Amino acid sequence: DIQMTQSPSSLSASVGDRVTITCRASQSISSYLNWYQQKPGNAPKLLIYAASSLQSGVPSRFSGSGSGTDFTLTITSLQSEDFATYYCQQSYSSPRTFGQGTKVEI
Amino acid sequence: QVQLVQSGAEGKKPGASVKVSCKASGYTFTTYGISWVRQAPGQGLEWMGWISADNGNTDYAQNLQGRVTMTTDTSTTTAYMELRSLRSDDTAVYLCARHLVTSSEDYFDYWGQGTLVTVSS
Repeated sequence: DIQMTQSPSSLSASVGDRVTITCRASQSISSYLNWYQQKPGNAPKLLIYAASSLQSGVPSRFSGSGSGTDFTLTITSLQSEDFATYYCQQSYSSPRTFGQGTKVEI
Repeated sequence: QVQLVQSGAEGKKPGASVKVSCKASGYTFTTYGISWVRQAPGQGLEWMGWISADNGNTDYAQNLQGRVTMTTDTSTTTAYMELRSLRSDDTAVYLCARHLVTSSEDYFDYWGQGTLVTVSS
């Protein structure tokens, strides 16, 4: 199975900050990397697919980059509604696997 | 609009089975697959498996092989996930997700609201 490792596990930030979350795969996954946002009590929401494609309706302050084994989710100018847990997920091979999550706190 | 609506919470005893439903609407059901993902209390996301709504092909996570069965009913555009021989560590929120698979993209773009399954004696 491909292991996905996110860092950091949690971070504290303020409204307006630039936030970067990294995700590393245990082997190359090309660009088969997705990012999801999850708020407490809610289902995950797709933010970024194929490493850098912004899902329809997602604000442009979210962006993704990377390929191979190293990926980044960036939130420019953090908003209050962005405080949540973020997960990366590889779709290169089965089983699809998720990172452990990064909690973005105030 | 695309919606996935899941069945309600379940309480089960160890050794029992549970069957969760996921009613899809707002899109052509057979064009996409359905994946099931679970989340234990306070924990991360675990992919359980996928079913093609077109031909019923399945792909299950190895650790659930033999205990899980995923099915679809195209007449009612509903997907089902049955988990047998329940254990306490199966206590989790179970989520269905529409799963798009193409030659270059593979992701879960719409999700159900989740179904809490509690396993306790």
